[in-house]
Amino acid sequence: QKEVEQNSGPLSVPEGAIASLNCTYSDRGSQSFFWYRQYSGKSPELIMFIYSNGDKEDGRFTAQLNKASQYVSLLIRDSQPSDSATYLCAGHQGAQKLVFGQGTRLTINP
Amino acid sequence: GAVVSQHPSWVICKSGTSVKIECRSLDFQATTMFWYRQFPKQSLMLMATSNEGSKATYEQGVEKDKFLINHASLTLSTLTVTSAHPEDSSFYICSASRPAGTQYFGPGTRLLVL
Repeated sequence: QKEVEQNSGPLSVPEGAIASLNCTYSDRGSQSFFWYRQYSGKSPELIMFIYSNGDKEDGRFTAQLNKASQYVSLLIRDSQPSDSATYLCAGHQGAQKLVFGQGTRLTINP
Repeated sequence: GAVVSQHPSWVICKSGTSVKIECRSLDFQATTMFWYRQFPKQSLMLMATSNEGSKATYEQGVEKDKFLINHASLTLSTLTVTSAHPEDSSFYICSASRPAGTQYFGPGTRLLVL
């Protein structure tokens, strides 16, 4: 079992709708989690991080963490075509190393 | 956010030559930097963790004598691919870590070995 798992997609969402990206992790010792966005041919860009149970909102993005269920999600409201990218979920392992999921490819359809 | 730069952004070299890639943290001091490799349509693969002033920690399966890492200052880490071969062609990405652990990625370096 991979330590961080994501549905690889592709996930297609109509423009203006809510895109929901999910991630599960196996290491209960992981304390903080990160969502990165990666456009094709580019390097990852940090969107949000979360380390407390519950929701964390930043603009159109909401990260959710449920440590009991070992589940992390990212919601994107009012999806735009420019949100089309691969979204990477990552959890901390040890001091600073991140363990990445395989990424979910998201397509926003105009 | 934070700004991390990489140089060069792309490089083409002949098989057997060595290539050096620089990673700089421009607006904060990074005691830890990371080097990743990404093949087309695959996820990031961590190659090594680089701590300032000490030897890098390599992931299993990554040859430390082939991928030389130097982290001489709090803002600069270098990766040298020695005796490069076509199978080393990939997208190499560095990241710099803040003390709280958030990693910021450089723009990446595309390496093509002919």
